[in-house]
Amino acid sequence: DAGVIQSPRHEVTEMGQEVTLRCKPISGHDYLFWYRQTMMRGLELLIYFNNNVPIDDSGMPEDRFSAKMPNASFSTLKIQPSEPRDSAVYFCASSFGMAGELFFGEGSRLTVL
Amino acid sequence: GQQLNQSPQSMFIQEGEDVSMNCTSSSIFNTWLWYKQDPGEGPVLLIALYKAGELTSNGRLTAQFGITRKDSFLNISASIPSDVGIYFCAGQGTASKLTFGTGTRLQVTL
Repeated sequence: DAGVIQSPRHEVTEMGQEVTLRCKPISGHDYLFWYRQTMMRGLELLIYFNNNVPIDDSGMPEDRFSAKMPNASFSTLKIQPSEPRDSAVYFCASSFGMAGELFFGEGSRLTVL
Repeated sequence: GQQLNQSPQSMFIQEGEDVSMNCTSSSIFNTWLWYKQDPGEGPVLLIALYKAGELTSNGRLTAQFGITRKDSFLNISASIPSDVGIYFCAGQGTASKLTFGTGTRLQVTL
């Protein structure tokens, strides 16, 4: 069975551009999480969904960030406009139930110049 | 956001040595988990602990859920080169979301 699939793996963009990161969770999982990883702040939870409904978005840095989950097999994280301080690795993870056993994708490394 | 404190931050050990690392929190957690992250990859779950005092093994790995529910320990016995990576603890309280530790970077020399 395929794991969590993220795209793109790498993105380099200029400040002010819109960035869209994509995630396909593991089939059958009902929770989806978006994390951001940086050297300074480690792994930070941005937002998570349960059955496609956003439950907690308190980790989203500001209004420039938005996330959607239109169906059980797809989610997007959008940054508009992007800034250099958004440079990080963004991970999507999914789980079945609340047991905490998250399965992570390989991440999307974003560089904003 | 809140983070768990892991120690040590990094370790350099020789192949065959045992490794110990721990994680502490000011909050009580109901579940503790340990993940390993290889370079360029996402974290992978190693061990999950669900009960205070629980001691669980997975091959050469052993982890314990602290009795106070505010800490957890991970031990790796007889380290090998493929143990290299970053080890993260994570705690889960009453909400669904996990809080991750600051990570322990492990280097193994031959």
